[in-house]
Amino acid sequence: GENVEQHPSTLSVQEGDSAVIKCTYSDSASNYFPWYKQELGKGPQLIIDIRSNVGEKKDQRIAVTLNKTAKHFSLHITETQPEDSAVYFCAASNPPARGSTLGRLYFGRGTQLTVWP
Amino acid sequence: TAGITQAPTSQILAAGRSMTLRCTQDMRHNAMYWYRQDLGLGLRLIHYSNTAGTTGKGEVPDGYSVSRANTDDFPLTLASAVPSQTSVYFCASRDSGAYGYTFGSGTRLTVV
Repeated sequence: GENVEQHPSTLSVQEGDSAVIKCTYSDSASNYFPWYKQELGKGPQLIIDIRSNVGEKKDQRIAVTLNKTAKHFSLHITETQPEDSAVYFCAASNPPARGSTLGRLYFGRGTQLTVWP
Repeated sequence: TAGITQAPTSQILAAGRSMTLRCTQDMRHNAMYWYRQDLGLGLRLIHYSNTAGTTGKGEVPDGYSVSRANTDDFPLTLASAVPSQTSVYFCASRDSGAYGYTFGSGTRLTVV
């Protein structure tokens, strides 16, 4: 199956600085790459995702880039704020299909991001 | 509000006792998943179900069982709890043909 590696495991930045989290994956068939944010005491929530037909996607202060050749993708957060402090997970999946195991997400181990005021 | 409901939110359980963690979704999603989250290990898949009536094993299934009698419910049972099953458990669902997961709020289980 797919193997997703995520770095760094912890990241501390000053408020206003940028934060970058990187992930690699092993299965060239994977075509969907979401990022989840998990705040303390809550379940993970999808914040942005990208499919393999695009190289970059932005949503306000967050962006994701994908390099399919190198099999890596990254989350970029600009102008960080204390409320960005959370655990971030990357994931990868094959195309989903009804009734099969395809579409299952394989998660990285997470990055604890701390933004200091 | 549509989503996934997990119960209980937390539980302390004596080793050797059995327990069922409940998960209910009202989105009519076909696929459902159980993950455990442990510090430094991320989210590890315990069991999954692609559709009602079918289940499968994930990465760490030992000591756990699941059933999927209908679309909405996906309970996780610990037959005889051990301290290594102390963890936070998340249920998630996905609609067939869709990509992203919806997660519940989790159950924090402590086995003593």
